[in-house]
Amino acid sequence: DGGITQSPKYLFRKEGQNVTLSCEQNLNHDAMYWYRQDPGQGLRLIYYSQIVNDFQKGDIAEGYSVSREKKESFPLTVTSAQKNPTAFYLCASTRGRGNTIYFGEGSWLTVV
Amino acid sequence: GDSVTQMEGPVTLSEEACLTINCTYTATGYPSLFWYVQYPGEGLQLLLKATKADDKGSNKGFEATYRKETTSFHLEKGSVQVSDSAVYFCALGGNEKLTFGTGTRLTIIP
Repeated sequence: DGGITQSPKYLFRKEGQNVTLSCEQNLNHDAMYWYRQDPGQGLRLIYYSQIVNDFQKGDIAEGYSVSREKKESFPLTVTSAQKNPTAFYLCASTRGRGNTIYFGEGSWLTVV
Repeated sequence: GDSVTQMEGPVTLSEEACLTINCTYTATGYPSLFWYVQYPGEGLQLLLKATKADDKGSNKGFEATYRKETTSFHLEKGSVQVSDSAVYFCALGGNEKLTFGTGTRLTIIP
């Protein structure tokens, strides 16, 4: 089945460590996105990519990094510079402007 | 820039009540509009969408009409069920970025 796969579902990080969240899609979508969701709050855009080898900062990019080396993959690294990383992270993709946006199941990151 | 203003919650209704969740937007051009639903601990699922003015999206008894004159895309359902309890997000698909409202938590009481 086509879809977006995020892994891991749950991740614990010690302070000062970098962690990478995986996002893979087999929908042949050009655009991919990373959102952060805090409990009881809406979605905030971290990074997005419209095409391979290109990406742009969203509204809260500080402390995060991404890469887009392959069309189907858009990993997110939460660096030690991110002061409050505990949140639910959602990856999404779409064929292009105005098209339906599809989401993965999300990854829970907790700093311990 | 693009923005979405969504009715704040939480909203609590009795089963079989009528539902309206307001959503208004600000955008340049002619964006597509979406409603997404999120169940606890899960990602977002598309509920319905509309791609141009006067389009009506519908799914699972929910409806929303793209009103360009009032820049609105209100979500409605005539008779809600306990299984409709979730968080609902209005979203706007613009030129590059996707913009979401803050979400409305809906709880249906039997």
